Amino acid sequence: GNSVTQMEGPVTLSEEAFLTINCTYTATGYPSLFWYVQYPGEGLQLLLKATKADDKGSNKGFEATYRKETTSFHLEKGSVQVSDSAVYFCALTVNRDDKIIFGKGTRLHILP
Amino acid sequence: DTEVTQTPKHLVMGMTNKKSLKCEQHMGHRAMYWYKQKAKKPPELMFVYSYEKLSINESVPSRFSPECPNSSLLNLHLHALQPEDSALYLCASSQDMGWRNSGANVLTFGAGSRLTVL
Repeated sequence: GNSVTQMEGPVTLSEEAFLTINCTYTATGYPSLFWYVQYPGEGLQLLLKATKADDKGSNKGFEATYRKETTSFHLEKGSVQVSDSAVYFCALTVNRDDKIIFGKGTRLHILP
Repeated sequence: DTEVTQTPKHLVMGMTNKKSLKCEQHMGHRAMYWYKQKAKKPPELMFVYSYEKLSINESVPSRFSPECPNSSLLNLHLHALQPEDSALYLCASSQDMGWRNSGANVLTFGAGSRLTVL
């Protein structure tokens, strides 16, 4: 079956630290991969996506590269800010399937 | 307008009450979704409407009744709920269902309606 595994949180970092949140997947077919972010008291927002192998998604300083050989889509940011504190969800959809499969989410706390 | 608007933001109801959650989008999206999210968990899909027709029902109990009056509106009617139904209910929309798209199915979410069942 299709599934997403992401690192357990919470992750606590100081402002300007380097961030990595690991995400690996299993999928039948050719998945599209996403990172969604949920700020406190809000719904989810698309942060970035990649639709085929070796694609790099990027937005707001965050990046993730679709690695088919390692079935991974790790989220990185070079210098985090307090405003990045949120829950981050890795997700996938498989071709011709409407259901988005979410990982369990990683809560990120950034300390000033 | 690039938003999905949900009302009310908060709802408290008893187990015998009947209430409704409402969702609206004006992006011309033809697929709309209801998700349920418990604390510290990912969203769980409940229903999908495509072109105003119910396309997916994830074996949701009948005390939850969705309705799509037109392409911009999605309702979730609630009746005889249980305390364990307390959660954040998220509405989302997408341009079309994944299998019709050539690209990825990107969802736009509303801020949610936080439901407490007493």
